[in-house]
Amino acid sequence: EDQVTQSPEALRLQEGESSSLNCSYTVSGLRGLFWYRQDPGKGPEFLFTLYSAGEEKEKERLKATLTKKESFLHITAPKPEDSATYLCAVQGGGATNKLIFGTGTLLAVQP
Amino acid sequence: DSGVTQTPKHLITATGQRVTLRCSPRSGDLSVYWYQQSLDQGLQFLIQYYNGEERAKGNILERFSAQQFPDLHSELNLSSLELGDSALYFCASSPREGRTEAFFGQGTRLTVV
Repeated sequence: EDQVTQSPEALRLQEGESSSLNCSYTVSGLRGLFWYRQDPGKGPEFLFTLYSAGEEKEKERLKATLTKKESFLHITAPKPEDSATYLCAVQGGGATNKLIFGTGTLLAVQP
Repeated sequence: DSGVTQTPKHLITATGQRVTLRCSPRSGDLSVYWYQQSLDQGLQFLIQYYNGEERAKGNILERFSAQQFPDLHSELNLSSLELGDSALYFCASSPREGRTEAFFGQGTRLTVV
């Protein structure tokens, strides 16, 4: 069964203190790994798609990387506005595009 | 703004009642997905439609049903509601089958009292 595990569950950083969030996955026939950002009471906001091991994507202070077993979301010099829950999801093989989500990492960046 | 529209934003109803949640996908998107998010669980996949046809079912209860109409909007029907059905319900859409990301609406917050 496809499974996604994110760690840590919660992370508190000082503004400017860089860190990484982890997403480990078990999936048969990975078609894509997705990162989303979710603010309280809002819908998940798409950030990145990674398709194959070794791939990297960047957007502002965020950089996502992918290996055969896990993905990392690196946050460089975070700002308070980066505070949110970051969700990882995988899309496996088969006839459906459904995404299997992890439970997320709640990031709090203090000024 | 993702381009996915969900109505209503909030819904409060009593146990045993039936409600309908509506989703309009992004222009041109053929796939619609429904997810449930409760406090103690992450985003749980419920069901997917592609161009009017059911594509996949997840952990969707028999009391719940969905459909996608010819204009591609979708409705999620929840009946015989229980307190435990209180959650955020999200709709997402994607343009095609294959490797593609999904874009989420802002959700409907359902409270069953």
